[in-house]
Amino acid sequence: DGGITQSPKYLFRKEGQNVTLSCEQNLNHDAMYWYRQDPGQGLRLIYYSQIVNDFQKGDIAEGYSVSREKKESFPLTVTSAQKNPTAFYLCASSLWAGTTDTQYFGPGTRLTVL
Amino acid sequence: KNQVEQSPQSLIILEGKNCTLQCNYTVSPFSNLRWYKQDTGRGPVSLTIMTFSENTKSNGRYTATLDADTKQSSLHITASQLSDSASYICVVSAGEYGNKLVFGAGTILRVKS
Repeated sequence: DGGITQSPKYLFRKEGQNVTLSCEQNLNHDAMYWYRQDPGQGLRLIYYSQIVNDFQKGDIAEGYSVSREKKESFPLTVTSAQKNPTAFYLCASSLWAGTTDTQYFGPGTRLTVL
Repeated sequence: KNQVEQSPQSLIILEGKNCTLQCNYTVSPFSNLRWYKQDTGRGPVSLTIMTFSENTKSNGRYTATLDADTKQSSLHITASQLSDSASYICVVSAGEYGNKLVFGAGTILRVKS
């Protein structure tokens, strides 16, 4: 999993609650990403950040929010507006958001809505 | 529409046997293609990356091929081991700067003893 940590490993949310997933990296990477993984589907990009204090929406940003106040941290908040949040969430980072740059993934957080 | 299709969806083989996983893509403009290995409940780990001009790349017992003309790639695993049991994901980089990744759904491989 490289130098990327995600916490918690498992998270349970009640209806109407906001929850925040943590992602930290010590690889000195500029770019960080959040993906959602559902069974039988490819990873889908939620948000990405190429530099501190800047982030861009991915393909499925609705119901999610992020911040990038520090280079090493990129937390994801799953808001109550996300209607189907149960999924496996993966954070990744790369040296920069370039063509051949490999993304290194964290171990993931499994979120379940009760 | 940019798409990556992988086959088969799942595969069971005996330890020591070889296998080949397929990836077809309709991504434009093409930048590069990666294969990742994802163990259950873990994040994906990069195995290989190939650009347009490369048609084969090896990483130990893993050999990836790329045919940019037919937009097909394969991942060949030689002398499989129990630890090869995982999901194998094909990822194609699209866009002028290659920063748009399109992920396949993966092939789930199970190696039996």
